[in-house]
Amino acid sequence: DVKVTQSSRYLVKRTGEKVFLECVQDMDHENMFWYRQDPGLGLRLIYFSYDVKMKEKGDIPEGYSVSREKKERFSLILESASTNQTSMYLCASSGHRSTEAFFGQGTRLTVV
Amino acid sequence: GNSVTQMEGPVTLSEEAFLTINCTYTATGYPSLFWYVQYPGEGLQLLLKATKADDKGSNKGFEATYRKETTSFHLEKGSVQVSDSAVYFCAPPSYNTDKLIFGTGTRLQVFP
Repeated sequence: DVKVTQSSRYLVKRTGEKVFLECVQDMDHENMFWYRQDPGLGLRLIYFSYDVKMKEKGDIPEGYSVSREKKERFSLILESASTNQTSMYLCASSGHRSTEAFFGQGTRLTVV
Repeated sequence: GNSVTQMEGPVTLSEEAFLTINCTYTATGYPSLFWYVQYPGEGLQLLLKATKADDKGSNKGFEATYRKETTSFHLEKGSVQVSDSAVYFCAPPSYNTDKLIFGTGTRLQVFP
């Protein structure tokens, strides 16, 4: 059974904290993605990685960074969390030129 | 870059009603087109896809036809069920990369 696993389902952090969201896939996929999902705004791409150590900015990269040191793991980093980063974060992976993306169950992050 | 425009929701229907959710796209070339579904509390999963013009994707009673003349990929189902209540996302990939973008999503609510 193919899997994309996000480290936490729910997370509460304080303003100014450094936050790490971890995502692991077991399908040997080249591509990995981080999205945030907000009511009325749909799914917005934060960052995309197409290979180890390779990344590309999505539509809303400000306030975020990413790390891909190993093929199976893609981390999203909030350098200094702010309340406007309270959201649902979704990780996904896909193969090169793949016809399907696989998603994790999401991490609901609340910044207080 | 490529983009999608998806009808806004929520769409509210009674059980056994006919469903259409509109999706139009702009793209370079003729990319594969996808519909994903997100059930409550879960990540997205692929519902159906079409890889070339005039292809019809189908799954679980849902259908969508890739129409290049109208640049559309509308989702249809002849008779919806309460269990179809979910958020539906239209998604063409970028033609030159594997970057996945999504429409805003359309929430479907089906009542008995």
